Amino acid sequence: DAGVTQSPTHLIKTRGQHVTLRCSPISGHKSVSWYQQVLGQGPQFIFQYYEKEERGRGNFPDRFSARQFPNYSSELNVNALLLGDSALYLCASSLAPGSYEQYFGPGTRLTVT
Amino acid sequence: GQQVMQIPQYQHVQEGEDFTTYCNSSTTLSNIQWYKQRPGGHPVFLIQLVKSGEVKKQKRLTFQFGEAKKNSSLHITATQTTDVGTYFCALSGNTGKLIFGQGTTLQVKP
Repeated sequence: DAGVTQSPTHLIKTRGQHVTLRCSPISGHKSVSWYQQVLGQGPQFIFQYYEKEERGRGNFPDRFSARQFPNYSSELNVNALLLGDSALYLCASSLAPGSYEQYFGPGTRLTVT
Repeated sequence: GQQVMQIPQYQHVQEGEDFTTYCNSSTTLSNIQWYKQRPGGHPVFLIQLVKSGEVKKQKRLTFQFGEAKKNSSLHITATQTTDVGTYFCALSGNTGKLIFGQGTTLQVKP
């Protein structure tokens, strides 16, 4: 079975631009979470979606938004990019919300110049 | 909100030496998960601890959950170069949101 997939792998954007990151969960997993990992730190929770509904939101500005599709894949959108948005964006899938192990994708490395 | 402190931040060991990382919380935890992230990679789930005083072993790795469920540790016996990476503890709430510690980066000298 394929693991969690994310696209693109790397991305370079300019300040003020918009970006869309994509994630496909493991087959059968209905919950997708997004995390931001700045170099040298642990991942920070951004969003969790389950059955197409937002189930949790971290301490991130409204420039960050996400959605989940009927096939359980997900998109993370970031508007008006700032230099500080440069990070590794990780998608994780799990069977459902709750205390289940999460399977992380390889991430999208976003660089904002 | 809930936080978890992880120490040490870095650890350099000679291959064959043991390694331990500690995770501490000021509040009682419902459970704790451990992840490993290799350099340039993504976090990979290692284990989840739920019960007070729980001890689980995976080959050379030993995971413990404190009696008060406020701390946890990961101990690696006789480190190998393949153990290199950053080890994170993470709190998992009812919603599934993971709150990660700062991580302990392990370097192993051959």
